[in-house]
Amino acid sequence: DQQVKQNSPSLSVQEGRISILNCDYTNSMFDYFLWYKKYPAEGPTFLISISSIKDKNEDGRFTVFLNKSAKHLSLHIVPSQPGDSAVYFCAASARYNNDMRFGAGTRLTVKP
Amino acid sequence: EAGVAQSPRYKIIEKRQSVAFWCNPISGHATLYWYQQILGQGPKLLIQFQNNGVVDDSQLPKDRFSAERLKGVDSTLKIQPAKLEDSAVYLCASSLVGVLPTDTQYFGPGTRLTVL
Repeated sequence: DQQVKQNSPSLSVQEGRISILNCDYTNSMFDYFLWYKKYPAEGPTFLISISSIKDKNEDGRFTVFLNKSAKHLSLHIVPSQPGDSAVYFCAASARYNNDMRFGAGTRLTVKP
Repeated sequence: EAGVAQSPRYKIIEKRQSVAFWCNPISGHATLYWYQQILGQGPKLLIQFQNNGVVDDSQLPKDRFSAERLKGVDSTLKIQPAKLEDSAVYLCASSLVGVLPTDTQYFGPGTRLTVL
């Protein structure tokens, strides 16, 4: 059961431009959402999160937007840098349990 | 601060053989997780430990998979016997407390298992 979906397997952007990664979820019980970044041969590392009581959370170049009515969240990276090239996973969990569900990931390539 | 350590990094076995993976979480972290990541998919939680007790193993195929966390620190995940569909990266993660989703999970580099 794919409760978290990232429909774009890959995304390529030019350095300095905005990268927008999208994620959709189906379980209305999810109330906490995270983005993880993964480099080759490494484990995922936490990037940014958002609680369902908010619709936006910003951390430097990274902003996550949450649209609860559409069950959709997005990660904006501005400006994109070559070092941002990685696989980005969207994840979601519910307050009542800590079972985090991941999307399949989007591979971002930032070209110099 | 040392991160989550896993070994081996790579393992190739024949189907029906047994294999074991080891994880050493970040010092002081009470909660330990094992995930399975099949190629092209996101990580899927197999089992979660709080100290040395199991919190959630609902997605662990218990007929062939087992895990233990002795003394609430290191953990091992075993597959016996392995099937072709077990080929995946096995990720270990830990978090300080783990009671709430807001408790950040820190992942190790994973063990890539290939079953031939």
